[in-house]
Amino acid sequence: DIQMTQSPSTLSASVGDRVTITCRASQSISIWLAWYQQKPGKAPKSLIYKASSLETGVPSRFSGSGSGTEFTLTISSLQPDDFATYYCQQYTSYPWTFGQGTKVEIK
Amino acid sequence: EVQLLESGGGLVQPGGSLRLSCAASGFTFSNFAMSWVRQAPGKGLEWVSATGGKGDSTYYADSVKGRFTISRDNSKNTLYLQMNSLRADDTAVYYCAKDRGQLRGNFDYWGQGTLVTVSS
Repeated sequence: DIQMTQSPSTLSASVGDRVTITCRASQSISIWLAWYQQKPGKAPKSLIYKASSLETGVPSRFSGSGSGTEFTLTISSLQPDDFATYYCQQYTSYPWTFGQGTKVEIK
Repeated sequence: EVQLLESGGGLVQPGGSLRLSCAASGFTFSNFAMSWVRQAPGKGLEWVSATGGKGDSTYYADSVKGRFTISRDNSKNTLYLQMNSLRADDTAVYYCAKDRGQLRGNFDYWGQGTLVTVSS
């Protein structure tokens, strides 16, 4: 199975900050990586797919980059609505696997 | 508007069975693969199972293989997950998720989830 490791596990930031979350795969997954946002008690929401493609309707302050084994999700200017947990997911091979999550908290 | 509505969750004893349903609307159901993804209380996301648009291709996580069966009825726009021999570690919120295509493994829409609790 491909292991996905996110860092940090928790991130404290202020509104307006630039935030970067890293996701590393245990083997190359090319660009087959997605990012999801989840708020407490809610379903995950798709943000980014194919490593850098922005989901329709997602604000442009979100961006993704990377290929192979190292990927990043960047929020260019953190907004109040962005405080949530973020998950990466690889979909290059079964079983499709998720990172453990990164919780973005208010500083 | 794409909508996915899960049902069928509840409290079940260890060793018991449960069938989850996911009613889909707002898209041509048979054109897209579907998956079940679960989340144990306070934990992360775990992909459970997937099926292709026609239902003839199915895939499972090792943790549920042989105990869970995914199926779909395209005439009813409904996805199912039959869960047998349930264990305490199957306790989770179960989400159905729409694939972006045919078993691409990328989920563009998710249901609100249904809670399954396995306990005596």
